[in-house]
Amino acid sequence: QLQLQESGPGLVKPSETLSLNCTVFHDSIRSSHYYWVWVRQAPGKGLEWIGTVYNSGDTKYNPSLKSRVTISIDPSKNHFSLRLRSVIVADTAVYYCARCDTSYWYGLDYWGQGKLVTVSS
Amino acid sequence: DIVLTQSPGTLSLSPGERATLSCRASQSVTGNFLAWYQQKPGQAPRLLIYGVAGRATGIPDRFSGSGSGTEFTLTINRLEPEDFAVYYCQQYGSSPPISFGPGTRVDLK
Repeated sequence: QLQLQESGPGLVKPSETLSLNCTVFHDSIRSSHYYWVWVRQAPGKGLEWIGTVYNSGDTKYNPSLKSRVTISIDPSKNHFSLRLRSVIVADTAVYYCARCDTSYWYGLDYWGQGKLVTVSS
Repeated sequence: DIVLTQSPGTLSLSPGERATLSCRASQSVTGNFLAWYQQKPGQAPRLLIYGVAGRATGIPDRFSGSGSGTEFTLTINRLEPEDFAVYYCQQYGSSPPISFGPGTRVDLK
């Protein structure tokens, strides 16, 4: 069964760059049926879409984060990545990676377990 | 941009009762690309409903979705103890590509 696993530092200092990877297990990230998504959830808050990367490498970002976000895909490693620059305390959140399945009418059918990233000096 | 609102914010019910959750979009949702998720504390969201009314794999048939255009509903018939959680709706479209509603908490009465 498909699994997604987030990895990266759990603590980032203000003004630095948050970097996370999401590794896909038991399926190929190359399939054109899927898009790959980052979502975050601040403590006690709702879900916020960060951005999407397509297997072509094209990306779309949340306008509120667009100036600071880069999402990329590396099919050779079967993973995709998130970089969020110039972080502030308000970027503290659980960061999830997920698969968007076009055959499930663009529902996010598989999620990683989530990675808590704390922004603090 | 499409904005999703959910009501009520919290629903207090007893096991065996029916839950009716509402999701309203600020404009018509493209292609009925509307999904519902369940999230329990400390867990990732789980896809329940896709394409307004399709049940995801392994989802019990007490969960059902309906609606069109800008008004959507998630109904949970005969609440089970494991159904007490937060529920989010989500749309897929062009602007923005993905957005979520603020969530409805279903609490034990």
